[in-house]
Amino acid sequence: NAGVTQTPKFQVLKTGQSMTLQCAQDMNHEYMSWYRQDPGMGLRLIHYSVGAGITDQGEVPNGYNVSRSTTEDFPLRLLSAAPSQTSVYFCASSYSSRVNTEAFFGQGTRLTVV
Amino acid sequence: KQEVTQIPAALSVPEGENLVLNCSFTDSAIYNLQWFRQDPGKGLTSLLLIQSSQREQTSGRLNASLDKSSGRSTLYIAASQPGDSATYLCAVRSRSNYQLIWGAGTKLIIKP
Repeated sequence: NAGVTQTPKFQVLKTGQSMTLQCAQDMNHEYMSWYRQDPGMGLRLIHYSVGAGITDQGEVPNGYNVSRSTTEDFPLRLLSAAPSQTSVYFCASSYSSRVNTEAFFGQGTRLTVV
Repeated sequence: KQEVTQIPAALSVPEGENLVLNCSFTDSAIYNLQWFRQDPGKGLTSLLLIQSSQREQTSGRLNASLDKSSGRSTLYIAASQPGDSATYLCAVRSRSNYQLIWGAGTKLIIKP
């Protein structure tokens, strides 16, 4: 079982560049989300989706866009990269956000913006 | 606003010891609490999920407890091994907005 797959694993960007972090899950999960993890802090929610065609902002959405055209895929776009976006990014999925279900995570994308 | 705290931030113990990791949260209105393990440079692996109606969950050498009224959870690791070295994270799913709220983690080192 593939579970949640994130690509790429590592990325270095120059300030001002744009890129898309890919996330795919093969578990037919409704709920998908993106987090960033910074040293000494808990994971912070960037954006989330409760189903295809539906997205919403989390705690730290500025500088990021998402879309959910299919159940399986939930890409995260950095519009104009800034050094403050240097972080480790995790994609997660769960069957539903509204019942007591387990969250599954991808392996993470380590992004450095120079 | 829900806040999750994990103390200590780091812990180093000799192999073979039993140990307890702590997680506290400020709002008892939660759906569940989940413990995760994170290895350096790797993703998050779910260890145990405790529903709000449960008091504890066990998996192998791991036992997690939940006391909603006091806003506390503990992760008990029996007979620790060097392979248990990792960062352990707890997260609660808030009833107010269904989101996972995270602690910053406890970095555990088991010395051979």
